[in-house]
Amino acid sequence: DAKTTQPTSMDCAEGRAANLPCNHSTISGNEYVYWYRQIHSQGPQYIIHGLKNNETNEMASLIITEDRKSSTLILPHATLRDTAVYYCIVRVGMYGGATNKLIFGTGTLLAVQP
Amino acid sequence: EAQVTQNPRYLITVTGKKLTVTCSQNMNHEYMSWYRQDPGLGLRQIYYSMNVEVTDKGDVPEGYKVSRKEKRNFPLILESPSPNQTSLYFCASRTGRGNEQFFGPGTRLTVL
Repeated sequence: DAKTTQPTSMDCAEGRAANLPCNHSTISGNEYVYWYRQIHSQGPQYIIHGLKNNETNEMASLIITEDRKSSTLILPHATLRDTAVYYCIVRVGMYGGATNKLIFGTGTLLAVQP
Repeated sequence: EAQVTQNPRYLITVTGKKLTVTCSQNMNHEYMSWYRQDPGLGLRQIYYSMNVEVTDKGDVPEGYKVSRKEKRNFPLILESPSPNQTSLYFCASRTGRGNEQFFGPGTRLTVL
């Protein structure tokens, strides 16, 4: 699985959009980009995933650059409850593979400020 | 409510005393996994299971055992716990074709 690079931490004002970047310059053509978040020692929570098209769901939007070497997770209206560590994960195959393994790096600690 | 449950949530034990952490999911998922999370090391997979009676080692299986006798349950067994197994443990599950992994609330284990 390709390696990802994320900033260690970011701040965002409550109500504003939070834009979390992720670099994955060695991504392969069959690797998907997944985003999870972990709110202080709770179990990680799936947010969104994509291959090359931009994706949106009720939680967030995922913007993947045309060359697929980077992506941005957008939380459109951040709230205090969005304060968490956000993990960008690159994974072969749409279904997570036979090992069911997700490789979590150190992620980005997003602090939403009131 | 669809969920993954773990018990106990907190456990303090002593070296060598066998323990079991239970994991149960009510979503009829085929795949289940155990992870441990340690500061600076992220989450690392211990064992995984693709279905009943099918299990395999993850990245850090030493000192752990698992079993999958029923689809919904995937217990993690520490036959002789040691202090280096002090960690935060998560169970996770997903369907065979699912993208989303569902994680349990975590079990914080301290081995003295």
